[in-house]
Amino acid sequence: EDKVVQSPLSLVVHEGDTVTLNCSYEVTNFRSLLWYKQEKKAPTFLFMLTSSGIEKKSGRLSSILDKKELFSILNITATQTGDSAVYLCAVGVGGSQGNLIFGKGTKLSVKP
Amino acid sequence: NAGVTQTPKFQVLKTGQSMTLQCAQDMNHNSMYWYRQDPGMGLRLIYYSASEGTTDKGEVPNGYNVSRLNKREFSLRLESAAPSQTSVYFCASSGTGLFLDYEQYFGPGTRLTVT
Repeated sequence: EDKVVQSPLSLVVHEGDTVTLNCSYEVTNFRSLLWYKQEKKAPTFLFMLTSSGIEKKSGRLSSILDKKELFSILNITATQTGDSAVYLCAVGVGGSQGNLIFGKGTKLSVKP
Repeated sequence: NAGVTQTPKFQVLKTGQSMTLQCAQDMNHNSMYWYRQDPGMGLRLIYYSASEGTTDKGEVPNGYNVSRLNKREFSLRLESAAPSQTSVYFCASSGTGLFLDYEQYFGPGTRLTVT
């Protein structure tokens, strides 16, 4: 059975801290790994990674994929209260159109 | 450019009632999806439509039907609602092509309660 596991489940930090969120996976036909940010409503797309070792970066957020060890990390530097959200990791698998397997998410709370 | 829109935002049903959740996208995407999100379970795919005129079952299709009305619209119908269908429902859309179908854009969600 395909599965995606995120850790930690929740995290509380203070503004300015750097955080690392983890995502490991066991799937039969890996195609891609995606990160989403979910505040009160819709998940919003952050990154898609398909190749090992190539960092994707957007402002204070960055992510990297290790296809040999089957995991990805999402780093957020100099955290702000606006970074408070649930971060979802999803793995795209082959076999049917757009088949994403989601993890349960990491809830990040950034205190002022 | 509204992206993906869903109606209604909230709904309360009694067991056995029926309803249709509406979804529309203006990104000219070929593919559309319906997910449900439950506490502790993550997002799970109910149905998807790879293109206009086609629909396929996802992980949790029982109790639901879908219609891909045209390229823009994809509706989800609950014929006889059950308390187990209490959830937040998200519609999403994506392009088609190498990896593009995985890059999905989500609507704001419908919070459904079945009593």
